[in-house]
Amino acid sequence: DIVMTQAPLSVSVTPGESASISCRSSKSLLHSNGITYVYWYLQKPGKSPQLLIYRMSNLASGVPDRFSGSGSETDFTLKISRVEAEDVGIYYCGQLLENPYTFGAGTKLELK
Amino acid sequence: EVQLQQSGAELVRPGTSVKLSCKVSGDTITAYYMHFVKQRPGQGLEWIGRIDPEDDSTKYAEKFKNKATLTADTSSNTAYLKLSSLTSEDTATYFCTIMGPGDYWGQGVMVTVSS
Repeated sequence: DIVMTQAPLSVSVTPGESASISCRSSKSLLHSNGITYVYWYLQKPGKSPQLLIYRMSNLASGVPDRFSGSGSETDFTLKISRVEAEDVGIYYCGQLLENPYTFGAGTKLELK
Repeated sequence: EVQLQQSGAELVRPGTSVKLSCKVSGDTITAYYMHFVKQRPGQGLEWIGRIDPEDDSTKYAEKFKNKATLTADTSSNTAYLKLSSLTSEDTATYFCTIMGPGDYWGQGVMVTVSS
């Protein structure tokens, strides 16, 4: 199975500042079709996960452009610019390249 | 707009089985693979498996192959997850989801295994 490793496990951010979360996969997530199958999700307290970024760098529908995704074949970054109170929750990276789909352990974002 | 509506919370006895439902509205279920994800209290996300309602083909994560069974009923636009031989390790919230660029999640259903 592909292992997804996230860092840090938690991050505390001042509102208005930026935050970055890293994710590393144990195998390249670049498909032969040129698409990199890493996804980013946010799970707000008591809610279902919601998609933020798909295929490494594409913003999901309705997601503010303060969120952005980037990376290579195995190393990925989610950046949140101008953090707001509504961004609090746990962020997960996930790989949808092959079964079984797997997720990172999550990064908890809190406000200072 | 596609919506996924899951069945209600379950309190079940160890050793028994439970069947959870996930009804799709806003589109036909055969347009999507239906995935199920497990989340134990305070823990991360685990992919259980997926079903293609078009042909009932399934894929499971290895650890769930003897635990979970996925089925679908196209007439009611509903997918099901059956969990068998329940233990305390199965106490969790279970989500149904359509994963991909078009991403939809059910509200989750809490299953508590307790005598």
